[in-house]
Amino acid sequence: AQTVTQSQPEMSVQEAETVTLSCTYDTSESDYYLFWYKQPPSRQMILVIRQEAYKQQNATENRFSVNFQKAAKSFSLKISDSQLGDAAMYFCAYRSSPSGGSNYKLTFGKGTLLTVNP
Amino acid sequence: EAQVTQNPRYLITVTGKKLTVTCSQNMNHEYMSWYRQDPGLGLRQIYYSMNVEVTDKGDVPEGYKVSRKEKRNFPLILESPSPNQTSLYFCASSPGTGLNTEAFFGQGTRLTVV
Repeated sequence: AQTVTQSQPEMSVQEAETVTLSCTYDTSESDYYLFWYKQPPSRQMILVIRQEAYKQQNATENRFSVNFQKAAKSFSLKISDSQLGDAAMYFCAYRSSPSGGSNYKLTFGKGTLLTVNP
Repeated sequence: EAQVTQNPRYLITVTGKKLTVTCSQNMNHEYMSWYRQDPGLGLRQIYYSMNVEVTDKGDVPEGYKVSRKEKRNFPLILESPSPNQTSLYFCASSPGTGLNTEAFFGQGTRLTVV
C-alpha cells in the first residue's frame, strides 16, 4: 500500500522568509500524481500545487514551488515570501490509478502545521 | 458557484442515534468520496463512488454506509454512531477518474458522539 510521510508535525517561519515542508512517499507505481493541500483554520481544503510523476520539471504556482525527486520519492513544498495568510495545516497527498489498488483515492500524510510569525 | 456542500457543519449526538451527513455537488462530477480527519492521522478514505449506484469501501468503512442514487448527492450514514466516530468529515468530488483531476472538498462536518 502507498504511504505518505510528513516528518515535520510543526514548522514556523518569519513573514517574508522562505520555508520548506518535507514529504516522502512509498510506492511501486510508475504513474501517479502528488498534491499539496492547504487547510486554514476555516477547515476548507485548498489545492496548492500538483505534480505529475512523469514530468521532470518541478511545478510552480506563484510563491509555491515543489522539489520533486522521483528516485528518492521526495516531494517537498517551498513557500517563498511567506505571508500571514499562509499559516495553515499543509497536507501532502498521493494518487495513483486503480491498477495500483487506490481507486483514485488521495492518500494523505499526517500534515504539517505552519505558523507564520510577523 | 461550483461547490461541494455538506450539512450539517457541526453535530453533537449520542451513542446509537442514527444520523446522516449530506453531501451535494453542483459540478456534475462522477467521482465522490468521504474522508475522515483525525489529529495525527491525516485524512483517510471511508467510502467512494465512481458513479450513480456504484459505491465501494475505502480504508476505514466500518460503522458507515453510503448511497449514490443521484449523481449530485452522496450521503454518509452512521446507523449506530459510537464515540470513536467523533471526527472531522469531508466529502470530496472530482470530475472524472483521471489522476490529475482536482478534488473539490466540502466545508467539513465536525461530529461529536457522546
